[in-house]
Parts: sequence; structure tokens; C-alpha cells
Amino acid sequence: ETGVTQTPRHLVMGMTNKKSLKCEQHLGHNAMYWYKQSAKKPLELMFVYSLEERVENNSVPSRFSPECPNSSHLFLHLHTLQPEDSALYLCASSDRDRGEVSPLHFGNGTRLTVT
Amino acid sequence: GQNIDQPTEMTATEGAIVQINCTYQTSGFNGLFWYQQHAGEAPTFLSYNVLDGLEEKGRFSSFLSRSKGYSYLLLKELQMKDSASYLCASMDSNYQLIWGAGTKLIIKP
Repeated sequence: ETGVTQTPRHLVMGMTNKKSLKCEQHLGHNAMYWYKQSAKKPLELMFVYSLEERVENNSVPSRFSPECPNSSHLFLHLHTLQPEDSALYLCASSDRDRGEVSPLHFGNGTRLTVT
Repeated sequence: GQNIDQPTEMTATEGAIVQINCTYQTSGFNGLFWYQQHAGEAPTFLSYNVLDGLEEKGRFSSFLSRSKGYSYLLLKELQMKDSASYLCASMDSNYQLIWGAGTKLIIKP
């Protein structure tokens, strides 16, 4: 299996539920990202992990909790979400070295609906 | 502030040529990316420009003018499968990507 895979593809959850999104990359990259994509809005960077350490946390509410157990896996734990959190959540990976530019490789995303 | 502007939606005819423009304002500049995203799918990398000029890749070309803060993506011999959203992103001095909201391209027969 190649590329970046995300599960589940679709998720419907109530505001009191706890769920997790999973991402796995098979590209040998050293950085992984969570993005939020809402209709007609730019991609919003949520978290970045480089060599399994969190290097970015862009003022994301604490109801979103990332976990990166190794360089190939990334999770996003969700709890007590709000309806405005409904969006497409994209995982991406890249080779991240200061001074070098590497394109992001994205997964197909998880379409999240909060009811 | 940092900002990327691109048209929200464009329509073109199969077999024709279309140019999608992008203007950017970022703190520093380390290149300009274009991605293609079909509905319900992952964004996929199309091109990267860091120097002024035109880069050609088959039917797709990307142009950059750093002095004008301007780029465009040129798609030739349009096919129905080119119907997608096209995302422009500028990389700032901290190697952070600043994204546009995307241009939805509709191809008509």
C-alpha cells in the first residue's frame, strides 16, 4: 500500500461522543500534518509533527487532541465537538528539513459531521 | 497580513485553454505551489515555482512573477477529468504554507 491513508472516510458523531481519526503514511516522510478544510475556505493548519515531536499547534481548541506514536502514524482524538467543527479533516506528510522545500502528500480525508 | 487571492469559480469548454490566476502577499517567499483536488479526494501536487518564469508539465503550465506577487496555472486541451478545485499556496519565510480558498473549475462539453 502506498501514499497516505485515512480512516474512517466518513464520521457522524454527537457532541458528547469521543472518536479518533487515523492517518498512516507509507512514503518514509519525517513530518505529518492535520488540516481542516471547510467549504470555500482556505486549508487551516491544525498540527504539525516533525520526527514525532509536535512543532506546531495553531490555536486549536483542546477538544482536538493529536497523537503521533511514530513517524508513520498520526491520530486526531475528538471529544465534545461543536457543530461548527463539521468539515473535511485532511492528513498530510512530507520530508521536512529547514531550508528545503518538499510538497505535501495528502490523504483523502475524513468527512466529519457533528450533530 | 498574509493573503492569497484566487477566483472562486471558473467555467471552460472541453478542448479549450483556461488560466487560473493567484495573487499572494506573504512574509517572505519560498515558492508557490499549485494543487488539484477532485471532489471528495485528496489534494494532489501539480507544480512548484520559486523562480520567475514559466514551468511546463504536459498540458499544465505554471507561471510566477515574484515582483508582482502573481502566479497562474494554465491548462491546455481541457478534458472533462480536469473538472476539480485548484489550490494555490505560497510558502513564507518560515516555510509555512499560506493557502488560497481554491478555484472550482467546471468543464462543459
